[in-house]
Amino acid sequence: DQQVKQNSPSLSVQEGRISILNCDYTNSMFDYFLWYKKYPAEGPTFLISISSIKDKNEDGRFTVFLNKSAKHLSLHIVPSQPGDSAVYFCAASSLTRDDKIIFGKGTRLHILP
Amino acid sequence: NAGVMQNPRHLVRRRGQEARLRCSPMKGHSHVYWYRQLPEEGLKFMVYLQKENIIDESGMPKERFSAEFPKEGPSILRIQQVVRGDSAAYFCASLYRNSGANVLTFGAGSRLTVL
Repeated sequence: DQQVKQNSPSLSVQEGRISILNCDYTNSMFDYFLWYKKYPAEGPTFLISISSIKDKNEDGRFTVFLNKSAKHLSLHIVPSQPGDSAVYFCAASSLTRDDKIIFGKGTRLHILP
Repeated sequence: NAGVMQNPRHLVRRRGQEARLRCSPMKGHSHVYWYRQLPEEGLKFMVYLQKENIIDESGMPKERFSAEFPKEGPSILRIQQVVRGDSAAYFCASLYRNSGANVLTFGAGSRLTVL
């Protein structure tokens, strides 16, 4: 049972435009959400996070939006740059239940010149 | 990723051999997670350890896989009698708290190839 779903395996976006990566979750106990970025042959690196008490968190070009009623979050990157080409993983955890962090399958983002 | 050290980076084993993957968490961190990434798949949770304790091993296959995090030394993920399906990238991460929430810092991974 996949608790964190990233339904788009890949996404191509023109350089300079907005990239929107989507993530859905099924477990209503999740109260903290994270995005990780991964380049080939490297480990994932933490990008941005959001607590369930918020609906938006912004850090430079990266903004994460959370819609709790829809159990949906999205990562917006604007403007997209060539170095943003990577695999992006959505992850979720429940602070009150355990420390396990569940990851989605990832979305490969290609930034086109 | 410099803080979490994994070795070896690449490991090749023949079917039936044993694989040992090591992970040293960031200095001062006492919580280690192991994740596995199969080809074209996401990161699958395997096990969560504190020093000398296994906290959650719900993602570990029931047979051939074991993990430990001794009082001294790195955490070790051990796979006995490897099969081709064990070929994957194995990532270790250590945990830190960011405003009360859990954030994982990952190592660069160990890529296991079973011939």
